[in-house]
Amino acid sequence: SQELEQSPQSLIVQEGKNLTINCTSSKTLYGLYWYKQKYGEGLIFLMMLQKGGEEKSHEKITAKLDEKKQQSSLHITASQPSHAGIYLCGAADPNAGGTSYGKLTFGQGTILTVHP
Amino acid sequence: SAVISQKPSRDICQRGTSLTIQCQVDSQVTMMFWYRQQPGQSLTLIATANQGSEATYESGFVIDKFPISRPNLTFSTLTVSNMSPEDSSIYLCSVQRGSQETQYFGPGTRLLVL
Repeated sequence: SQELEQSPQSLIVQEGKNLTINCTSSKTLYGLYWYKQKYGEGLIFLMMLQKGGEEKSHEKITAKLDEKKQQSSLHITASQPSHAGIYLCGAADPNAGGTSYGKLTFGQGTILTVHP
Repeated sequence: SAVISQKPSRDICQRGTSLTIQCQVDSQVTMMFWYRQQPGQSLTLIATANQGSEATYESGFVIDKFPISRPNLTFSTLTVSNMSPEDSSIYLCSVQRGSQETQYFGPGTRLLVL
């Protein structure tokens, strides 16, 4: 089965600093999702990456998938207290549901704290 | 994006009782997924709910404990039966949407079993 390892497990930064969260897979990634979760709440979809070398940005958050499709990174530029939360990467199971992406396997999450 | 609502948002229950969680989506979807997030843990898929057929359960989850209904393409329920404190978790429903089949999650139901 596919396993995802996130690093670091937790991160404390000062407001305005840049930061990077990594997600490494034990197998080739066919769909890699990034989510943000506030404590005790649901998941907010950030971005999905599918192609090797793909990079997507939204506001101050950029996500990349490496060429080998086994590692993804999430980079936040000029962090703000609103960026605080738990960041989760999730990988689609290519064997679930034929051509559609099915169930997701998640990493353990990265807890981000941003001090004002 | 998808608009997903869940009821209840949270509940405190006594052991041995059952709770049914509802998930409503703003438009029709083929598959709906139920996940569990135990305290301090990441998400684990419980089952996939398809309209018109029985749900497909992941290893470690059984229908007697987590019966699922999917009466139409916008609604599903998950029941947590004969609850114990170990069932205290956040339960989330999820759907796929769009040409790239992006996966979206509901706001979750926080369950505490005493």
